[in-house]
Amino acid sequence: DQQVKQNSPSLSVQEGRISILNCDYTNSMFDYFLWYKKYPAEGPTFLISISSIKDKNEDGRFTVFLNKSAKHLSLHIVPSQPGDSAVYFCAASSRDSGGYQKVTFGIGTKLQVIP
Amino acid sequence: DARVTQTPRHKVTEMGQEVTMRCQPILGHNTVFWYRQTMMQGLELLAYFRNRAPLDDSGMPKDRFSAEMPDATLATLKIQPSEPRDSAVYFCASVLSSLNTGELFFGEGSRLTVL
Repeated sequence: DQQVKQNSPSLSVQEGRISILNCDYTNSMFDYFLWYKKYPAEGPTFLISISSIKDKNEDGRFTVFLNKSAKHLSLHIVPSQPGDSAVYFCAASSRDSGGYQKVTFGIGTKLQVIP
Repeated sequence: DARVTQTPRHKVTEMGQEVTMRCQPILGHNTVFWYRQTMMQGLELLAYFRNRAPLDDSGMPKDRFSAEMPDATLATLKIQPSEPRDSAVYFCASVLSSLNTGELFFGEGSRLTVL
């Protein structure tokens, strides 16, 4: 049962254009949503997050949008750069029985930015 | 240099052999997660510990996988006996639970190949 779904396994974008990565979720108890970036042979690294009480969070070229009614979030990268080529994981966290955060990940979307 | 350290980085073994993967979390982090990355499931949560106590290992095949934290600086994931379907990249991540909004710090992973 995939609670965090990334339906696009891959995406190709021209350098300088906008990249939009999408993610859907099913669990309404998630209270934070995150994006992680992963290069080959490295571990995932945190990129940006958004609280469930917000609808937008921006950090430089990266913006995450949250639509709670649709249970959908997206990551926008503007402008896209070749160094952004990586696998992007959508993730969501919820509180476990001890009140601490437990993180669930999607399957990832491989972004290729073409120079 | 605060980072999560995982060993071995690569392991090739034959079916039926025991495999042990090790993780040194970031000093001071009290929560440790084990994830497995596969093409079909993305990053699957196998188990996690808080203050060395196992909290949830429902993602692990119980008959062959075991996870422990002998002390605060070492987490282990053991597979016995290993099977070809266990071939994947295994990631360890750590965080200080009181600050956790879902931002985890990952190691570089242990790539396991079972022949």
